[in-house]
Amino acid sequence: EAQVTQNPRYLITVTGKKLTVTCSQNMNHEYMSWYRQDPGLGLRQIYYSMNVEVTDKGDVPEGYKVSRKEKRNFPLILESPSPNQTSLYFCASSGLGRAGYTFGSGTRLTVV
Amino acid sequence: GENVEQHPSTLSVQEGDSAVIKCTYSDSASNYFPWYKQELGKRPQLIIDIRSNVGEKKDQRIAVTLNKTAKHFSLHITETQPEDSAVYFCAASPPWGAGNKLTFGGGTRVLVKP
Repeated sequence: EAQVTQNPRYLITVTGKKLTVTCSQNMNHEYMSWYRQDPGLGLRQIYYSMNVEVTDKGDVPEGYKVSRKEKRNFPLILESPSPNQTSLYFCASSGLGRAGYTFGSGTRLTVV
Repeated sequence: GENVEQHPSTLSVQEGDSAVIKCTYSDSASNYFPWYKQELGKRPQLIIDIRSNVGEKKDQRIAVTLNKTAKHFSLHITETQPEDSAVYFCAASPPWGAGNKLTFGGGTRVLVKP
């Protein structure tokens, strides 16, 4: 089944403790992206990647890192999480020709 | 960069009536406009999209129209049903080579009353 898999689905952590949210897609998509969703603010792009070793900042990249060492994986790294990064995070992917994004199931992160 | 505005933020309709959601975009280079539906606690899912070389597209009870000159596009849902209740997002994207970045509108919460 074609899908984007995110882990974990839920995460509660403390301020300053490094964490990684994993994202993997099995559709051989070139493009992958991370979004955060906050009430009243819609979906805002954090980082995106056009292909392996090619990444760029989105609209809200501060406090986040990404890497794209393999085509299928695009982890999101929070080196020192803060409470304002409490949010619902979505990973998404799409292929050339753009049939639209396929989203992962989301990761609800709480930083206390 | 691109800015997408979406209206209304909430929409309540009676079952069987039509619902219309409107979006405007700022970047004239944008050429791909998808619409996503997000049910409570679920991921956004693509329901329909339109490219800038097309003015209108239909899929059963859903249609999307695009006015490139005015830089606005709309989602029309006819004969609404309770299962249409969800948050709907419009989005705009530049040509692939410019990054395939989707900029989303703020969302419209649609409630279909039985």
